[in-house]
Amino acid sequence: SQKIEQNSEALNIQEGKTATLTCNYTNYSPAYLQWYRQDPGRGPVFLLLIRENEKEKRKERLKVTFDTTLKQSLFHITASQPADSATYLCALNKDSSYKLIFGSGTRLLVRP
Amino acid sequence: GAGVSQSPSNKVTEKGKDVELRCDPISGHTALYWYRQSLGQGLEFLIYFQGNSAPDKSGLPSDRFSAERTGGSVSTLTIQRTQQEDSAVYLCASSLGQGGNEKLFFGSGTQLSVL
Repeated sequence: SQKIEQNSEALNIQEGKTATLTCNYTNYSPAYLQWYRQDPGRGPVFLLLIRENEKEKRKERLKVTFDTTLKQSLFHITASQPADSATYLCALNKDSSYKLIFGSGTRLLVRP
Repeated sequence: GAGVSQSPSNKVTEKGKDVELRCDPISGHTALYWYRQSLGQGLEFLIYFQGNSAPDKSGLPSDRFSAERTGGSVSTLTIQRTQQEDSAVYLCASSLGQGGNEKLFFGSGTQLSVL
């Protein structure tokens, strides 16, 4: 069956460290993979998009990798700050279509 | 407005009643999505509208759920004869075009509670 898996356990790290979040998928062949941030009581906010032919994408302190062989994307936040505390969702388009399928998200907590 | 607007932000209803949830997408965005998010869960796709094309209703969980989009802009999601398992946050999103490389802009959602 098709699955998108993100670690359901919260990630708790010290300010200044690098946070690494994982998104694994099975039985999908996405052309794109996106990452969103969601704060409590709010809708998700787009962060980064990476294409299947891109290995890595960066934006300020954020870095995303996309390994279509491992069927995995890693999301890194360097020099993490308490304001980075939120839930991070990965999403991929199903079978090259418009439909975005979301993972259940991983909660990140950055301690000051 | 500058963003996707949803109303109401909270809705409490009794089991068996009908509810209507409204979404006002970003002006000029041709694609509109409805998702549902249960507590601690990911987003569950419900329905997708693109321009004047027939909507993709493949995610609607039952025939009690329906949605329309009038004039290619505002959308209404209707749930008839609500059940307790319908309790969730209903999120609307819009995008400039269609395709997996389009980023979605979400509203803040409607928290639906069915008593």
